[in-house]
Amino acid sequence: QQQVKQSPQSLIVQKGGISIINCAYENTAFDYFPWYQQFPGKGPALLIAIRPDVSEKKEGRFTISFNKSAKQFSLHIMDSQPGDSATYFCAASIEGTYKYIFGTGTRLKVLA
Amino acid sequence: NAGVTQTPKFQVLKTGQSMTLQCAQDMNHNSMYWYRQDPGMGLRLIYYSASEGTTDKGEVPNGYNVSRLNKREFSLRLESAAPSQTSVYFCASEDRAYYNEQFFGPGTRLTVL
Repeated sequence: QQQVKQSPQSLIVQKGGISIINCAYENTAFDYFPWYQQFPGKGPALLIAIRPDVSEKKEGRFTISFNKSAKQFSLHIMDSQPGDSATYFCAASIEGTYKYIFGTGTRLKVLA
Repeated sequence: NAGVTQTPKFQVLKTGQSMTLQCAQDMNHNSMYWYRQDPGMGLRLIYYSASEGTTDKGEVPNGYNVSRLNKREFSLRLESAAPSQTSVYFCASEDRAYYNEQFFGPGTRLTVL
C-alpha cells in the first residue's frame, strides 16, 4: 500500500532524445508527487512536483504526466542533455503526515 | 545561506561502536528528516521532526535515535553500530508552509566493519 514502484532502473538516451521514467503507486491518499534529481556525491534536489488535481505540469524541458485513474505518474525529459545524467527519484506523500515514500531511483545516462 | 549541512562527510566504524551524525539548517524550517540511501532501495525515512521539540519514527527507525536540539539542529545517533547500517545518510529540512519542498544535505557515507 505504501510502495512507490519506479521503472526503469537505468536508462541510456542519446543527446537530444526523450527520457521517460515511470512511477506507480497504490495508496489513493497520496496527494503530492515530487521528482528529485541527484548527482553523484550530492544530496537529492527537487526538480518538479505535481498535485493530483492536474494531469500535467511542465517546467522547461521537464514534464510530469499524471494519470489518477491508473495511479501512475511519469517524468519526461525533452531534448535530453549530457548534463541531465543523474539519478532520478519519484516520491509520494500525504499532506500533513510528514512522510515521503520514495521510488528506488532511475540512473539516467545521456550520451553526447 | 549554507542550506543544510552535515558532518562528518565520511566515517568508518567498527561493529558495536557508537556515533552521532550532525545536521544543521539555516533556512528557519520547522521540519527536519533523516533518511538512509542504499543501492536499489531509494531513500528510506528513519526519523523525522515535524517541529522543534517533537520527533517521530519513520519507516526504518530500529537501531537509531534522534535529538532535535533546537530549530536548526537535528542529530542522528547510532548507539551500537551494525554492518547493516552501512549506508549513505541524508538529512533534509522542509518549510511545511511552502509547497512541501525538502532541501537535502550533502550526505554522510558511513561504513560499519
